[in-house]
Amino acid sequence: DAGVTQSPTHLIKTRGQHVTLRCSPISGHKSVSWYQQVLGQGPQFIFQYYEKEERGRGNFPDRFSARQFPNYSSELNVNALLLGDSALYLCASSQYEQGWYEQYFGPGTRLTVT
Amino acid sequence: LAKTTQPISMDSYEGQEVNITCSHNNIATNDYITWYQQFPSQGPRFIIQGYKTKVTNEVASLFIPADRKSSTLSLPRVSLSDTAVYYCLVDSGAGSYQLTFGKGTKLSVIP
Repeated sequence: DAGVTQSPTHLIKTRGQHVTLRCSPISGHKSVSWYQQVLGQGPQFIFQYYEKEERGRGNFPDRFSARQFPNYSSELNVNALLLGDSALYLCASSQYEQGWYEQYFGPGTRLTVT
Repeated sequence: LAKTTQPISMDSYEGQEVNITCSHNNIATNDYITWYQQFPSQGPRFIIQGYKTKVTNEVASLFIPADRKSSTLSLPRVSLSDTAVYYCLVDSGAGSYQLTFGKGTKLSVIP
């Protein structure tokens, strides 16, 4: 079975631009979460969606938004990019609604903002 | 959320058993302990989860004493491919939709 897939793998953007990151969960998984990981830190929770509804939101500005589609894939959008948004963006999927159950992470999208 | 404390880094030689201890003094009754492993430029991978005593799977063992204020992840006979960052997470999951990661422990396996 395919694992969680994310696209693109790498991305370079300029300050002020907008970016869309995409995630496809493991087949049968209805929960998708997004995390941001800056160098040297653990992943930080951004959003969780379950059955197309937002179930959790981390401490991130409104420039960050997401949605989940009927096929359970998801997009993370970031507007007005700042240099500090440079990070590895991880998507995780799970069978379960609650976040602490086993989650499967994708390889991430490396975003560089210049 | 229970705060966790882990060593920042550890070194080990190939073939040795490695034990990484995590302190969680204010763990709540309903909290579970979960460990994730992360290789460079990859997403974290679930290793093991437990509530009390000992849990073992094909990858690792998790030892949790009776007071549950700490836990130890044990990796038997490590190889170079076990070089990674290991995260200890403590949460009940009740009403929780997120995993809360600290900085983790960077394990370096030396030939």
